Amino acid sequence: DAKTTQPPSMDCAEGRAANLPCNHSTISGNEYVYWYRQIHSQGPQYIIHGLKNNETNEMASLIITEDRKSSTLILPHATLRDTAVYYCIVRINMNYGGSQGNLIFGKGTKLSVKP
Amino acid sequence: DSGVTQTPKHLITATGQRVTLRCSPRSGDLSVYWYQQSLDQGLQFLIQYYNGEERAKGNILERFSAQQFPDLHSELNLSSLELGDSALYFCASSGGGDRRNYEQYFGPGTRLTVT
Repeated sequence: DAKTTQPPSMDCAEGRAANLPCNHSTISGNEYVYWYRQIHSQGPQYIIHGLKNNETNEMASLIITEDRKSSTLILPHATLRDTAVYYCIVRINMNYGGSQGNLIFGKGTKLSVKP
Repeated sequence: DSGVTQTPKHLITATGQRVTLRCSPRSGDLSVYWYQQSLDQGLQFLIQYYNGEERAKGNILERFSAQQFPDLHSELNLSSLELGDSALYFCASSGGGDRRNYEQYFGPGTRLTVT
């Protein structure tokens, strides 16, 4: 079973920030928080990941609470192309194809960006 | 474009038949993962190979098998097909060698329809 809880759906106005919450209250000390998204039946796409510090890349920002029990993915200026299902996943980082390398997907949050 | 290729894009076959799905990972990636996405089950991990060896198994049926060849491409074999096997099948790859295993790159998927 997935170790995360996400709202099933959210709406966001185009050009505004989209803030997607994720609860992972049972996260272990060595587990990272990952975000992937899937745009309409395409293959899932990696967005960002983090352990305990906030992270930012060209796609998004990840804010992890100090107790690490929840996090928020922020898309700073959502566009219509950001409409997708967003998955929050916790997992151990494994090098070189370790046995914990697979991703366990929950139901995710369906984000609809509206004009 | 993730760099992961999957063939065929679409496959329609009858119950009881056998099919083979093919995946070519990103250049240099040693790990290959197979996932199944159906409407009622969501995205589920099936099996992982690393440099030709099976590394992890998920919810893969006994009727399904996979292998990774010396050139690192992988094939997923589905036999005695049932209507419930209709789904999107994704292949993903991730880095090996001195590349971190934290990001999986997904292919465009093969849509299997069993009639």
